[in-house]
Amino acid sequence: DQQVKQNSPSLSVQEGRISILNCDYTNSMFDYFLWYKKYPAEGPTFLISISSIKDKNEDGRFTVFLNKSAKHLSLHIVPSQPGDSAVYFCAASGNYQLIWGAGTKLIIKP
Amino acid sequence: KAGVTQTPRYLIKTRGQQVTLSCSPISGHRSVSWYQQTPGQGLQFLFEYFSETQRNKGNFPGRFSGRQFSNSRSEMNVSTLELGDSALYLCASSLGGLVPGETQYFGPGTRLLVL
Repeated sequence: DQQVKQNSPSLSVQEGRISILNCDYTNSMFDYFLWYKKYPAEGPTFLISISSIKDKNEDGRFTVFLNKSAKHLSLHIVPSQPGDSAVYFCAASGNYQLIWGAGTKLIIKP
Repeated sequence: KAGVTQTPRYLIKTRGQQVTLSCSPISGHRSVSWYQQTPGQGLQFLFEYFSETQRNKGNFPGRFSGRQFSNSRSEMNVSTLELGDSALYLCASSLGGLVPGETQYFGPGTRLLVL
């Protein structure tokens, strides 16, 4: 039973364009959502987060949107840069648990 | 501040053996969580320790166990290894643990190969 789903295993985007990564969740108890980025041979690093009381959080080129009624969040990266090529994980927090999606591999084409 | 360190970085074992992985959290962090990452499965939560107590546990068999020491360092043990245990094992540390608003800081992982 996957409580957090990232339905796109990979995404390819042209450098300079917008990258949109999506994440869906099923459990209404989640009250905090995070995005992590992972390069090969390294552990995930924190990127951006959002509380369930907000619908948008922005940090530089990264914006996370939360639609609670749809149980959906998305990460927007604008503009996309070659260094953004990595695997992106979304995670949902609640009740002393942190549940992770399977990840989306983002490839930025020059 | 030094980051989260994990040892060893790579390990090859055979079926039936046991293995112990080590994680040293960021100084001052009292929570250590362990995850298993396999291709296409994302990060599967194993357990979380806070101040030497296991506070939460994922859906893994009893062959997977852990502990935390008074200096917050943590070890994870897997007994009677199976081929399916081949994975990247990640540990993460934080101040308060798996609570909203807390950021988990990950180590580089230990890649375990079971032959």
